Amino acid sequence: GQQLNQSPQSMFIQEGEDVSMNCTSSSIFNTWLWYKQDPGEGPVLLIALYKAGELTSNGRLTAQFGITRKDSFLNISASIPSDVGIYFCAGPTSGTYKYIFGTGTRLKVLA
Amino acid sequence: SQTIHQWPATLVQPVGSPLSLECTVEGTSNPNLYWYRQAAGRGLQLLFYSVGIGQISSEVPQNLSASRPQDRQFILSSKKLLLSDSGFYLCAWSGDSYEQYFGPGTRLTVT
Repeated sequence: GQQLNQSPQSMFIQEGEDVSMNCTSSSIFNTWLWYKQDPGEGPVLLIALYKAGELTSNGRLTAQFGITRKDSFLNISASIPSDVGIYFCAGPTSGTYKYIFGTGTRLKVLA
Repeated sequence: SQTIHQWPATLVQPVGSPLSLECTVEGTSNPNLYWYRQAAGRGLQLLFYSVGIGQISSEVPQNLSASRPQDRQFILSSKKLLLSDSGFYLCAWSGDSYEQYFGPGTRLTVT
């Protein structure tokens, strides 16, 4: 079945640094979603991507829909302590109403 | 704007007791509704989804069940809880845009 692989699994960065993470799939996705989850809360949708090659920003966050439609990237510029959390990629599966989620990237920011 | 509610926020139940978690969505019609479970520090496991009133698709065989008595109401139930049912339960909805939005979650501890 479809799977989404996220990397890195976790990362420690210094405040002010830029962060990059990615999500890859063995099959094509027509939509890519990026979420952030804080401890004890539901995931919050950060960015939605709909077209191959699309680059979309939300404040300090920028996400890209890979040209092959099998990957997506999320960048965070000038990280701050509140960026701490788990970032998930996700996408709706073709022909169903189900969504596939990546395993998550846990981000820790050192002040 | 659309909002999604879940209750209760936390629940402690003994093994063998019944369960009822409720989710309601406001501000949209005919949403697709989802129940996920998340183990501590883990990814999201899809339990059930519904594309309409009375229509339930089950993803994982277990002692849980779901019902959708109204368009914007989704209920997760169990007749007898197991220790392994402990976890963080998330309700979500999606519409025509393929974006999926999550509720705040219910932390269930079975003792």
